[in-house]
Amino acid sequence: DVKVTQSSRYLVKRTGEKVFLECVQDMDHENMFWYRQDPGLGLRLIYFSYDVKMKEKGDIPEGYSVSREKKERFSLILESASTNQTSMYLCASSMDRGSDEQYFGPGTRLTVT
Amino acid sequence: GENVEQHPSTLSVQEGDSAVIKCTYSDSASNYFPWYKQELGKRPQLIIDIRSNVGEKKDQRIAVTLNKTAKHFSLHITETQPEDSAVYFCAASKRTGGYQKVTFGTGTKLQVIP
Repeated sequence: DVKVTQSSRYLVKRTGEKVFLECVQDMDHENMFWYRQDPGLGLRLIYFSYDVKMKEKGDIPEGYSVSREKKERFSLILESASTNQTSMYLCASSMDRGSDEQYFGPGTRLTVT
Repeated sequence: GENVEQHPSTLSVQEGDSAVIKCTYSDSASNYFPWYKQELGKRPQLIIDIRSNVGEKKDQRIAVTLNKTAKHFSLHITETQPEDSAVYFCAASKRTGGYQKVTFGTGTKLQVIP
């Protein structure tokens, strides 16, 4: 059974702070993804990674960066948090490049004040 | 890039009735169409999917249909139950640069009224 965990369920940060969101998967999946979920906008891809130390921009990468130093861990970094980054952040993983199904983490609800 | 539109954004049905959610996509290269269900406070989970070489797929009370020519696909839930209440996301996926790139719809909040 695939398990994707995220470091926090709820997070409150101040404008300008550097924020780290962590995601860990335990099934040796190659691909990992970061989405943000906003009402009426669905799931939008921020960044994804298909291998250690590799990363690719998604549809809305501005204001974010990522790090993947180990296969099981994918971090999302908000260099200087802003109020418009208040959102639900979902991490996901999939087995390999040819895989379709994504397994999601429980989400982190980030509030930037 | 791919654009996936999903309708309706909210849907209320009486228990036992059917529910239909529709999606359209823009990129004819998309070849995989999953549906995810997200219950309140929980993570999205895959409930059914269909590939471009298939027109219809059924799994108990849920079914998905795909019309490649018109670029639209639909989720059908029959004999709805209160536990079907959730947000449903459609998605279109295609292979690009060696990966399967998934684009999600905006979601449909389904409420089943007992």
